[in-house]
Amino acid sequence: AQSVAQPEDQVNVAEGNPLTVKCTYSVSGNPYLFWYVQYPNRGLQFLLKYITGDNLVKGSYGFEAEFNKSQTSFHLKKPSALVSDSALYFCAVRDIAGNTPLVFGKGTRLSVIA
Amino acid sequence: KAGVTQTPRYLIKTRGQQVTLSCSPISGHRSVSWYQQTPGQGLQFLFEYFSETQRNKGNFPGRFSGRQFSNSRSEMNVSTLELGDSALYLCASSLAVSSGGEYEQYFGPGTRLTVT
Repeated sequence: AQSVAQPEDQVNVAEGNPLTVKCTYSVSGNPYLFWYVQYPNRGLQFLLKYITGDNLVKGSYGFEAEFNKSQTSFHLKKPSALVSDSALYFCAVRDIAGNTPLVFGKGTRLSVIA
Repeated sequence: KAGVTQTPRYLIKTRGQQVTLSCSPISGHRSVSWYQQTPGQGLQFLFEYFSETQRNKGNFPGRFSGRQFSNSRSEMNVSTLELGDSALYLCASSLAVSSGGEYEQYFGPGTRLTVT
């Protein structure tokens, strides 16, 4: 069965500093990987995805993520955090091979402090 | 293009009642998924539909059911409501065709269900 782990419930970072939100996954085959962000009282918004090809993918709002197959990780990064980046971030995985649903991690709350 | 819409946005129901939630996907999207979001459990997968067929079902009791119509609109129903069903129910649509799991999902704002 596929699964996603986001080991940190909360990440705090100062504005202007780089940020990293961690994600590791488990699938039987190869993964499709996604990051979503949720602002208060709103649905999830798509940030970026890894399907195939270059391990470094760039997404919305200056975010990027690096796919590392050997470490089964897909960490979300941003070089310089903004206060407006404060939100709940979800990593999700889907196995390429099978007809399986998208599975989400439990989410990481990012707080960017001015 | 209009986004995913969900109705109603808020619901208050009593234990034992039943409820129907509605989702209209983005125009042209034929795949619709439903999720339950709670503070303790995160996002739990409920159903996935494509062209009126249920492709996947999550680990929820039979009280939870859903369907998709020919215009891709979807509904989910919860019967005999329990206090633990209080949650934000999110609907998402995507361009996925057949087994196109590489397509990202677009989420609606959710329906906040409170069971008293």
